[in-house]
Amino acid sequence: NAGVTQTPKFQVLKTGQSMTLQCAQDMNHNSMYWYRQDPGMGLRLIYYSASEGTTDKGEVPNGYNVSRLNKREFSLRLESAAPSQTSVYFCASSEYGLSGANVLTFGAGSRLTVL
Amino acid sequence: AQSVAQPEDQVNVAEGNPLTVKCTYSVSGNPYLFWYVQYPNRGLQFLLKYITGDNLVKGSYGFEAEFNKSQTSFHLKKPSALVSDSALYFCAVRDYYGGATNKLIFGTGTLLAVQP
Repeated sequence: NAGVTQTPKFQVLKTGQSMTLQCAQDMNHNSMYWYRQDPGMGLRLIYYSASEGTTDKGEVPNGYNVSRLNKREFSLRLESAAPSQTSVYFCASSEYGLSGANVLTFGAGSRLTVL
Repeated sequence: AQSVAQPEDQVNVAEGNPLTVKCTYSVSGNPYLFWYVQYPNRGLQFLLKYITGDNLVKGSYGFEAEFNKSQTSFHLKKPSALVSDSALYFCAVRDYYGGATNKLIFGTGTLLAVQP
């Protein structure tokens, strides 16, 4: 049972280059999320998808785009990378429901460096 | 604004001693609170959650957390620390305005270092 799989694990980009981070989950979860982790800042939500076919901005969406390709996959794209986007990116998934008590399952992370 | 605060960047404790990692929250409505742990080069793993009911919540690996509504706190505790507990710990609260999603607002994290 793989859970949440992110690729690539590591990437180095030059300023202005583009790239896509891939995320897939095999738990049949409806909701998926992209967070970034920076020292002293904790995790901040970039974008999320409550269910297949919907995406919404989180706390720090500028410079990113997302695609919910199907129920399993949720990708994050940097169109023109900037040094401020150097970070560790985490994808997560959860059930969707009004209970609000469902647990997020996280991927192992993707470490991105923008030079 | 909704938020959680972890006032300590790092907590040091000797193996076998009790440990406490602090968290305070500020939310609208009833809080749904969570603790996650992150081991080096790994993703976050769920430890425990408080939704309602008993103020003392028990979770994985012998951890527990105490919900205190009057102090708006949700401190993580363990009676006897292990070296293997050394990791980064995050407190989180469900975004009250997130609708039916389970968006979480995270604290900045506390690094727990357990010395042998």
